[in-house]
Amino acid sequence: DAKTTQPTSMDCAEGRAANLPCNHSTISGNEYVYWYRQIHSQGPQYIIHGLKNNETNEMASLIITEDRKSSTLILPHATLRDTAVYYCIVRVGEGGSEKLVFGKGTKLTVNP
Amino acid sequence: ETGVTQSPTHLIKTRGQQVTLRCSSQSGHNTVSWYQQALGQGPQFIFQYYREEENGRGNFPPRFSGLQFPNYSSELNVNALELDDSALYLCASSLDGKNIQYFGAGTRLSVL
Repeated sequence: DAKTTQPTSMDCAEGRAANLPCNHSTISGNEYVYWYRQIHSQGPQYIIHGLKNNETNEMASLIITEDRKSSTLILPHATLRDTAVYYCIVRVGEGGSEKLVFGKGTKLTVNP
Repeated sequence: ETGVTQSPTHLIKTRGQQVTLRCSSQSGHNTVSWYQQALGQGPQFIFQYYREEENGRGNFPPRFSGLQFPNYSSELNVNALELDDSALYLCASSLDGKNIQYFGAGTRLSVL
């Protein structure tokens, strides 16, 4: 089972910031939070990941709370091309095998 | 573009048949993970191959099997196809299985 909880859907106006929340209250100390997105009919696309510090790259920012029980993905200026399903994932490692456990994600719709 | 390629793009089979799906990993990556994505669901981990050995398996029956070749490309084989095997099959490559996984566009399998 997925170790994360996300809203089923969200809407955002084009040009505005999209803030996507994720709860991961059972996260372990050495587990990373990953964000991927999946545009319709394509494979998941890596966005960003972090352990406990806030992270930023050319696509997005990741804010992780101090207790690490939740995080927020921020798309600073959403465009229509950002419409996708966004997955928040806690990376699970077992015996050296690292697998991604996907939930159902958040369907983000960016409106003109 | 992730540099991960999958073939074929689409495939139609009948129940009871066997199918082989192929994945070419990103240059320099030695680990391939396979996922199954049913319609409306997040991807589910099937198994991972690291340096030609299976390195972790999800909750899938033995009729799902795989191979990884010396050039780190990989195959997913499914025997005795069932209607519920209809899904998008995704492969993802990574370095040493512990870092960012980059996904291909997937193979859409329909079982009639």
